[in-house]
Amino acid sequence: GEDVEQSLFLSVREGDSSVINCTYTDSSSTYLYWYKQEPGAGLQLLTYIFSNMDMKQDQRLTVLLNKKDKHLSLRIADTQTGDSAIYFCAESKDDYKLSFGAGTTVTVRA
Amino acid sequence: DAEITQSPRHKITETGRQVTLACHQTWNHNNMFWYRQDLGHGLRLIHYSYGVQDTNKGEVSDGYSVSRSNTEDLPLTLESAASSQTSVYFCASSGTSGSNEQFFGPGTRLTVL
Repeated sequence: GEDVEQSLFLSVREGDSSVINCTYTDSSSTYLYWYKQEPGAGLQLLTYIFSNMDMKQDQRLTVLLNKKDKHLSLRIADTQTGDSAIYFCAESKDDYKLSFGAGTTVTVRA
Repeated sequence: DAEITQSPRHKITETGRQVTLACHQTWNHNNMFWYRQDLGHGLRLIHYSYGVQDTNKGEVSDGYSVSRSNTEDLPLTLESAASSQTSVYFCASSGTSGSNEQFFGPGTRLTVL
């Protein structure tokens, strides 16, 4: 099976909070990441969290890490139409490689 | 500003032809990676390099090759293009310190007819 799993689709109303979930398998991962991909573009790093942290907040973004359950989530507060994109969860390996989930397509409806 | 570029952005080719996709980064990063993106699969690693003259196979390397003759470039070659290689290809690079963040190029959409 996949190393990193995430649900494929999320629909959210403008102004609500979005929560994207991810599970990973490698307990030795040093960093976990959230990337955003807009249509026709490459991936941009949104945020990352070091494995010894439980939470990281950056403006509208909150990352929660449950290392025991190998569960990572990304919360986007006050979701806007510009947040419509594909969001990828990724885990790092010691050899600089990243393992990506299949991506969650977030659609923001008015 | 440092950046990572890919060319061409779009390419249509025929089955059996050799195709080379270019990747160039000005971050002076040692690590470079090639991925393909397909619906339902996310990003899958094709080849990667940790420095000049170093290349390694990823999880979907069959039918692809790379070479690293300098720090800035990692071209990806499809020796004999197949329809199964129709995909969007992304190049990425990363340094050797800090968060291991990878910086991505804009992608190349390849269609093999």
